Amino acid sequence: DAKTTQPTSMDCAEGRAANLPCNHSTISGNEYVYWYRQIHSQGPQYIIHGLKNNETNEMASLIITEDRKSSTLILPHATLRDTAVYYCIVRVEVSGYALNFGKGTSLLVTP
Amino acid sequence: GAVVSQHPSWVICKSGTSVKIECRSLDFQATTMFWYRQFPKQSLMLMATSNEGSKATYEQGVEKDKFLINHASLTLSTLTVTSAHPEDSSFYICSASMARVNTEAFFGQGTRLTVV
Repeated sequence: DAKTTQPTSMDCAEGRAANLPCNHSTISGNEYVYWYRQIHSQGPQYIIHGLKNNETNEMASLIITEDRKSSTLILPHATLRDTAVYYCIVRVEVSGYALNFGKGTSLLVTP
Repeated sequence: GAVVSQHPSWVICKSGTSVKIECRSLDFQATTMFWYRQFPKQSLMLMATSNEGSKATYEQGVEKDKFLINHASLTLSTLTVTSAHPEDSSFYICSASMARVNTEAFFGQGTRLTVV
């Protein structure tokens, strides 16, 4: 799996949009960008994934640059419950393979 | 999304005893389950991959005789920490994936093991 680079930590005010960047300059053509988050002392939670088109679901939006070397996860209206570590993972879209978790971005949403 | 249930949520055991952690997929059949370990302020580290009905594949540095994994059915995998020691104290997390249907992994809520 291609390596990803994320900022160690970020802050965001409650109610504002949280934009979490991820660099994956060595991504291969068949690799997708996945985002998971882990709230303290819980198991990771799937957020969203995409190949090259922007994606949106009820939790977040994923913006992937045209060259696919970076992406941004957007939480449109962050709440205190969005405080978590966010992991950007690049991998092929095939089930049965483990996820390679990096260090992620620790997002703190403040009142 | 699909639900993965892990039990117990936390356990305290004495050094030298064994502890079993269960991971169940509640509403889907999981052909593959993964076990991760997470030490404080660190990321998740894959310990082993188990496929239903076959032996688990362990990552380098993970002792297979110490961390026994059984995946006897499509909805249940167990991790037994044998002869636990304080250095085995960690957060253990299981994950399950469906074959072919979806590609995102579903995680249990984790088990906090403390060995005293």
